[in-house]
Amino acid sequence: NAGVIQTPRHKVTGKGQEATLWCEPISGHSAVFWYRQTIVQGLEFLTYFRNQAPIDDSGMPKERFSAQMPNQSHSTLKIQSTQPQDSAVYLCASSFDRGIDTQYFGPGTRLLVL
Amino acid sequence: GDSVTQTEGLVTVTEGLPVKLNCTYQTTYLTIAFFWYVQYLNEAPQVLLRSSTDNKRTEHQGFHATLHKSSSSFHLQKSSAQLSDSALYYCALRPPGGNYKPTFGKGTSLVVHP
Repeated sequence: NAGVIQTPRHKVTGKGQEATLWCEPISGHSAVFWYRQTIVQGLEFLTYFRNQAPIDDSGMPKERFSAQMPNQSHSTLKIQSTQPQDSAVYLCASSFDRGIDTQYFGPGTRLLVL
Repeated sequence: GDSVTQTEGLVTVTEGLPVKLNCTYQTTYLTIAFFWYVQYLNEAPQVLLRSSTDNKRTEHQGFHATLHKSSSSFHLQKSSAQLSDSALYYCALRPPGGNYKPTFGKGTSLVVHP
């Protein structure tokens, strides 16, 4: 079991550029979560898919962030027109989805917007 | 909505002494799962403990926590802190059955010094 895979591990973009982050959940897990982590805000929930369907995107900044899960083996988080305040570690997690199930986190993508 | 409060942003303790990290919550759900996640430096969060049973002590890796619905708490404790326990600790809750996002506290940094 390779665990949750996230690529790239590090990404540097210029202000105004687009960033796409990839996540491959653990095989068999039906739920995929995206979080943003900063020192100031801690771990912030962004969005959540269940069986590839979007369930809750209440944490997503509405205008420049979008997430998709085109198939059960990967999800993407896209940030358009990146801003310096988007600099953070973006974590993906997956789990079975009964609510009581443990989330398994990927290593994260560290995004730096210059 | 649900909320999780971790009152201390930073806890420092001397090696060998007991440590307690506080976690209280608010929720409208009667049945709910609780988690403690630990994140070591430059690593992804990983589950430390989980529980959904009132007044039942849960233990792992020397840490223990007991869910007390009467006081809406799920504090994390260890009788003898080790240097290797230095990490960031998150308390989290999630209603059962899927379709509900998890709620994380802001996190508590634990520093164990010699």
